[in-house]
Amino acid sequence: DADVTQTPRNRITKTGKRIMLECSQTKGHDRMYWYRQDPGLGLRLIYYSFDVKDINKGEISDGYSVSRQAQAKFSLSLESAIPNQTALYFCATSEDTGYGYTFGSGTRLTVV
Amino acid sequence: DQQVKQNSPSLSVQEGRISILNCDYTNSMFDYFLWYKKYPAEGPTFLISISSIKDKNEDGRFTVFLNKSAKHLSLHIVPSQPGDSAVYFCAASTSGTYKYIFGTGTRLKVLA
Repeated sequence: DADVTQTPRNRITKTGKRIMLECSQTKGHDRMYWYRQDPGLGLRLIYYSFDVKDINKGEISDGYSVSRQAQAKFSLSLESAIPNQTALYFCATSEDTGYGYTFGSGTRLTVV
Repeated sequence: DQQVKQNSPSLSVQEGRISILNCDYTNSMFDYFLWYKKYPAEGPTFLISISSIKDKNEDGRFTVFLNKSAKHLSLHIVPSQPGDSAVYFCAASTSGTYKYIFGTGTRLKVLA
């Protein structure tokens, strides 16, 4: 099993719909992150969490919300999806800054 | 404003030659740097890191060089292999923040 599992792998949704992307990790790490990747823009941080009770906004949090249900689970929600949220979304976990992140395989989201 | 920049979107290199990927940053508070490699349909995977107390770190065929005065780092791959063909991201962090800012990525193609 993968260390970081993201579901779904692919999703097409309509403008205005609510959608949740889920992430679970088996690394036992406290820190979890959500990034989105867009062509020419690299990876940008949406939200991050350092433990179950700690949630922080990243560079581009508008239009997104998150929930840290347990140490191992961190979900990202788009309350009302819009087309410019079409992107590749990555969840990651980290033990500490020296070791970097372990990423999931990504969720490709298309908003039509 | 992009704090971490990879100005070359793509690079092609012959198998066996050296690949040099470059990364510039603007924030002088960054003190830890990583390189990630990403294959299609997979999440980024950690490749090599360097702390600001060093100017070079080597791991097999991969070497990262850091020039703090120029706010520049580079990744050297010697010799390049077709399996190295991927997108490479550099990332930077400030101690204590536990989050990374990523560059826009460079697509490396190693020609057999």
